[in-house]
Amino acid sequence: GDSVTQMEGPVTLSEEAFLTINCTYTATGYPSLFWYVQYPGEGLQLLLKATKADDKGSNKGFEATYRKETTSFHLEKGSVQVSDSAVYFCALSFNQFYFGTGTSLTVIP
Amino acid sequence: NAGVTQTPKFRVLKTGQSMTLLCAQDMNHEYMYWYRQDPGMGLRLIHYSVGEGTTAKGEVPDGYNVSRLKKQNFLLGLESAAPSQTSVYFCASSYGTSGGWSRNEQFFGPGTRLTVL
Repeated sequence: GDSVTQMEGPVTLSEEAFLTINCTYTATGYPSLFWYVQYPGEGLQLLLKATKADDKGSNKGFEATYRKETTSFHLEKGSVQVSDSAVYFCALSFNQFYFGTGTSLTVIP
Repeated sequence: NAGVTQTPKFRVLKTGQSMTLLCAQDMNHEYMYWYRQDPGMGLRLIHYSVGEGTTAKGEVPDGYNVSRLKKQNFLLGLESAAPSQTSVYFCASSYGTSGGWSRNEQFFGPGTRLTVL
């Protein structure tokens, strides 16, 4: 069945470091792909999305490219800030919505 | 525009008690969902609804019931709470698409933290 696998955390980075959180998916068709972010004590918020192969989603300095050949949707940011500390979820939507287990990111000054 | 709201925010129950969690959305979304979030397990879908008057089971439906009497509301009920239902519950909604499951983004509420003693 369809599924999402994302990099396990926790991840701790210094401010201004480069961030990559890996996400790969398995799907029988051509899903839409999403990254959600969850700040402490809050619900999930959509960070970015891509609906077809080679699409790049971007928001707030974060980017992810829909790679059909490698079935991946890795999240990247060139320079993280303390305010980026949160849990990040990769998700896909096709016949159903599937979420990864989340990756906790802590950015230290 | 409040988006998705959930009540209550926190609740403590004793084993065997019942309760209802209320979710409301003001975005005129067709689809609504209930998830539970547990440490290390991400989000798991409990039940969902693709329109007023319709509900369906998700990945972990046992011990829960739902109702969607109005398009804007989606209720989650626990008839006889158990400690295994201690969790954070999230409601979400999305636009529907004709012919099947929504491919659009989901909008989430702030969550309800439930503890069952």
